[in-house]
Amino acid sequence: DAGITQSPRHKVTETGTPVTLRCHQTENHRYMYWYRQDPGHGLRLIHYSYGVKDTDKGEVSDGYSVSRSKTEDFLLTLESATSSQTSVYFCAISKGADERGYTFGSGTRLTVV
Amino acid sequence: KQEVTQIPAALSVPEGENLVLNCSFTDSAIYNLQWFRQDPGKGLTSLLLIQSSQREQTSGRLNASLDKSSGRSTLYIAASQPGDSATYLCAVGNTGNQFYFGTGTSLTVIP
Repeated sequence: DAGITQSPRHKVTETGTPVTLRCHQTENHRYMYWYRQDPGHGLRLIHYSYGVKDTDKGEVSDGYSVSRSKTEDFLLTLESATSSQTSVYFCAISKGADERGYTFGSGTRLTVV
Repeated sequence: KQEVTQIPAALSVPEGENLVLNCSFTDSAIYNLQWFRQDPGKGLTSLLLIQSSQREQTSGRLNASLDKSSGRSTLYIAASQPGDSATYLCAVGNTGNQFYFGTGTSLTVIP
C-alpha cells in the first residue's frame, strides 16, 4: 500500500529465537498500530503508538514489545518466538481514529517452527 | 470491551444481485466505523469510513449505513460483480484510538 511498507513479507523462524518486524510509513501519521490476524479471531491489536517513544498495549500484547524511535518506523519484537505466534501481522497507520481511519500495510506472514 | 459481530460468515450470490452485509457491535459509544475489503493473502483496503455523527456514506456501488443506537451497520453492494469477491471486514473505532474488528464476511460473486 502506498505510504506504508512492512518487512519482511515472509519469515520462518525457530521457537525461542527473537524476531523483529518493521513497519515504515512516509505519511507522517501520528498513530501506528500492530495487529495480528488469525482464523476465527479476526484482527487483534497487539500494541500501538501515539507518537515517538509513546506506546501502549493492546489486547494481545503478551510476548511482544515495540519501539518507535522515529515517526516513520514502528518495530514489533517477539522476544522469544513461540508456535502460538505463528500468524499474519499487519501494521496500520492513522492520523487519529476520529479522522480518516486506518491505512494498512500488506502484512508479514510469520511461521514459528 | 467492544464486541463486533458480522453475519453471515460467508455469502455466495450470482452476478448482478444487490446484497447486504451486516455488522453489529455491543458498545454504542463509538467514534466511527470503517468497512474494509481483504483479498486472499493481501492487506486490507479501506472502503468507507462513517463518523459517529453520520448516518451513511456512499462510494460508487457501495453504501454503508450506521445506526449507533441499535449497534448496527450495513454495507450495501449494488449490482455485484465477480471482482467484488473478497472478505469484507467491519471495524469499530472506540476511545483510545483503537479499532475493534469483526471476523468478516467472505463474499463470492458467481459469474
